[in-house]
Amino acid sequence: GESVGLHLPTLSVQEGDNSIINCAYSNSASDYFIWYKQESGKGPQFIIDIRSNMDKRQGQRVTVLLNKTVKHLSLQIAATQPGDSAVYFCAEREGEDDKIIFGKGTRLHILP
Amino acid sequence: DSGVTQTPKHLITATGQRVTLRCSPRSGDLSVYWYQQSLDQGLQFLIQYYNGEERAKGNILERFSAQQFPDLHSELNLSSLELGDSALYFCASSVADSTDTQYFGPGTRLTVL
Repeated sequence: GESVGLHLPTLSVQEGDNSIINCAYSNSASDYFIWYKQESGKGPQFIIDIRSNMDKRQGQRVTVLLNKTVKHLSLQIAATQPGDSAVYFCAEREGEDDKIIFGKGTRLHILP
Repeated sequence: DSGVTQTPKHLITATGQRVTLRCSPRSGDLSVYWYQQSLDQGLQFLIQYYNGEERAKGNILERFSAQQFPDLHSELNLSSLELGDSALYFCASSVADSTDTQYFGPGTRLTVL
């Protein structure tokens, strides 16, 4: 199956370079944020999360930064590889409500 | 493989019809979530069930309904289908609430003709 979201913004990155994907969230009451990766024909896959009492969290080759002042979230991928090619979604949990709201997504394209 | 299964993989039906999508969560997960992914709306949260009870509701139409059974599998029922209901429908599961990692199934692609 094809990926959804023909109107997604696209980020093109040279293989081996670092990628930075940005996301603006809407609700200042959101207390939990997640990044998902969706490859073509598959469901979203959890990458990393961060709670609102943190500014930064690191995983394997990925780092999430949270700036609550400007309601901005970013995902940094170090040494981007061809397998990183996918659509990346940020998501927020709105306060005590258990709803997870997804952003529109960014398509990451890896240049050889 | 996330451990979440969804059936069927593809579904083609006509306007006005009713379909049922099925989801089996990962072993041990109590929460099931349903999402709709379409070209113009992105990934939209529909509804969450926790241990058989409705926990949270998103942008779910009145024509749509869901339930979670005692064995924790879930079904999403879509009725009076319209062309605009064509989309990918994903199920996800987590251990308990939405701050637990959600694991997504492979999705059901619904095409309404």
